[in-house]
Amino acid sequence: AQTVTQSQPEMSVQEAETVTLSCTYDTSENNYYLFWYKQPPSRQMILVIRQEAYKQQNATENRFSVNFQKAAKSFSLKISDSQLGDTAMYFCAFMTSFELIFGQGTELSVKP
Amino acid sequence: NAGVTQTPKFRILKIGQSMTLQCAQDMNHNYMYWYRQDPGMGLKLIYYSVGAGITDKGEVPNGYNVSRSTTEDFPLRLELAAPSQTSVYFCASSYSFAQGNEQFFGPGTRLTVL
Repeated sequence: AQTVTQSQPEMSVQEAETVTLSCTYDTSENNYYLFWYKQPPSRQMILVIRQEAYKQQNATENRFSVNFQKAAKSFSLKISDSQLGDTAMYFCAFMTSFELIFGQGTELSVKP
Repeated sequence: NAGVTQTPKFRILKIGQSMTLQCAQDMNHNYMYWYRQDPGMGLKLIYYSVGAGITDKGEVPNGYNVSRSTTEDFPLRLELAAPSQTSVYFCASSYSFAQGNEQFFGPGTRLTVL
């Protein structure tokens, strides 16, 4: 079975600092995608960043970047220059065909 | 475009009651999905559809039914509500079934069964 594990239930960071959220996954597949979704208090699921497993280069989207270690099955999210609006639940997710398999989430609080 | 819309936003049901959660998308996506999110957990797939008239089970389909008569709408039916179905329900859609294709989510329906 494919699983996604986020070992940090809660994290906090000061505004303007950098924070890294961890994610590990387990699969026997070679071709897959990994995602980070943000869920603010509004409950809306928002795609933050996406990584294709066959690409060695780490994905970046403005202040968000990932550290993808395929051999270690690790996919961490780095948020630089944290902003108050980054306060949210963050979910790591894995996709082989069409189904998204989610981790349990990390609740991030950005403090002023 | 409104994207993916869901109604209602909140609902309280009594054990044994039935209800339909509505989902609609205006992006002309063929693929639609229903997920549930239990407290402190990630989302789990209930049912999905690859087009009008075609649906299939996901990871947690028991206690639910779906139909897809149009491209735009994908309602989720609870026939005999149970406390275990207390959850937040998300509908999503995507342009293609291709691996890695982004799924767009609705705002969710919070359901409580008492």
